Amino acid sequence: GESVGLHLPTLSVQEGDNSIINCAYSNSASDYFIWYKQESGKGPQFIIDIRSNMDKRQGQRVTVLLNKTVKHLSLQIAATQPGDSAVYFCAGLGSGTYKYIFGTGTRLKVLA
Amino acid sequence: NAGVTQTPKFQVLKTGQSMTLQCAQDMNHNSMYWYRQDPGMGLRLIYYSASEGTTDKGEVPNGYNVSRLNKREFSLRLESAAPSQTSVYFCASSGQGTDTQYFGPGTRLTVL
Repeated sequence: GESVGLHLPTLSVQEGDNSIINCAYSNSASDYFIWYKQESGKGPQFIIDIRSNMDKRQGQRVTVLLNKTVKHLSLQIAATQPGDSAVYFCAGLGSGTYKYIFGTGTRLKVLA
Repeated sequence: NAGVTQTPKFQVLKTGQSMTLQCAQDMNHNSMYWYRQDPGMGLRLIYYSASEGTTDKGEVPNGYNVSRLNKREFSLRLESAAPSQTSVYFCASSGQGTDTQYFGPGTRLTVL
């Protein structure tokens, strides 16, 4: 929503196409990652998570890929729908800590 | 099951005024968190409480105090509000045995 900011990178996709949203992380000690969806005026909503001992995890219409070698996460949304329009951001948690590191997010716009 | 609730949803303060943001969760989670979200930045941790009776500073604790009233409730207090504290504040919680954080709907605070 407007509280997340006006200068987020934006990904525009056609309705029905697949979306890929990327996230890079710097802390090699991070061993748990979450993707959140944030709609305008609302709190972040959990989408999918993955632990560092996995490289892929699938949910309903969503897939998260983790590449530990290059410290990169991606979120793939299949058959993108208008209701998918939101800001998406990743968060990483270091082993044995309570402190998440959050990305600034990507705004997904779904074009009819 | 309401999840994480926050009150108020909106608040306008004058510089120097005080207020308390309330947060409650009904998921029997041990850990609770307060974040602020500013334009162009990721969520930043203000304070967290790993369990009832404990609180610890996060990344940006200056100007804030917290109280873990019981297992369900975690409040955030601004003793003397400043314009730099204009932000959207989110409360989150996570349960024992899981790292997944669940967020409330947020409080939009403006300090004039």
